[in-house]
Amino acid sequence: DAGITQSPRHKVTETGTPVTLRCHQTENHRYMYWYRQDPGHGLRLIHYSYGVKDTDKGEVSDGYSVSRSKTEDFLLTLESATSSQTSVYFCAITDRLAGGTNEQFFGPGTRLTVL
Amino acid sequence: ELKVEQNPLFLSMQEGKNYTIYCNYSTTSDRLYWYRQDPGKSLESLFVLLSNGAVKQEGRLMASLDTKARLSTLHITAAVHDLSATYFCAVDYYQLIWGAGTKLIIKP
Repeated sequence: DAGITQSPRHKVTETGTPVTLRCHQTENHRYMYWYRQDPGHGLRLIHYSYGVKDTDKGEVSDGYSVSRSKTEDFLLTLESATSSQTSVYFCAITDRLAGGTNEQFFGPGTRLTVL
Repeated sequence: ELKVEQNPLFLSMQEGKNYTIYCNYSTTSDRLYWYRQDPGKSLESLFVLLSNGAVKQEGRLMASLDTKARLSTLHITAAVHDLSATYFCAVDYYQLIWGAGTKLIIKP
């Protein structure tokens, strides 16, 4: 258990509404990631953070924004949810120390359904 | 564009048999990771492979990395039902680039 929680764990929402997912870690890791998982696609990186207020886009960032105001929290916001954003969202953490690995540890996931 | 291809994507096998999952990738990298995911659950790190020729073993699973061939394998020896899961490889190329996953079903 890498001390990662995600909230909510399940959410059903309607098209056009804003949605915020939260990832919380207790182990002071520098790097945090948001992925989405869809059948046949593996995991795809949405956004990541390499420190407080330091974030960057991933492969599928359109329609998503993120914020990290504290080391322990990384928020993913869907400004106006669409049905194509129905997915399972995973948060991950790693330290990526110099010369170290990029082995990532995952939260339990959030299942989001956009009707 | 970096591609990571796993095959097979689906594998149904009998207990006691041996099999190999392949992970091919299209760019230079000497770091590759294997993860396991049970249905409805999160991903669990299995192996971290950090150099050409790296081999790691845990129980009935063994992973290897050939960076020159851009190929990693996950070998299952004498499969048991508890190994049924989806297995992902991820190549480290600035970020992790993931394969689509191999769904493994092991029948008694």
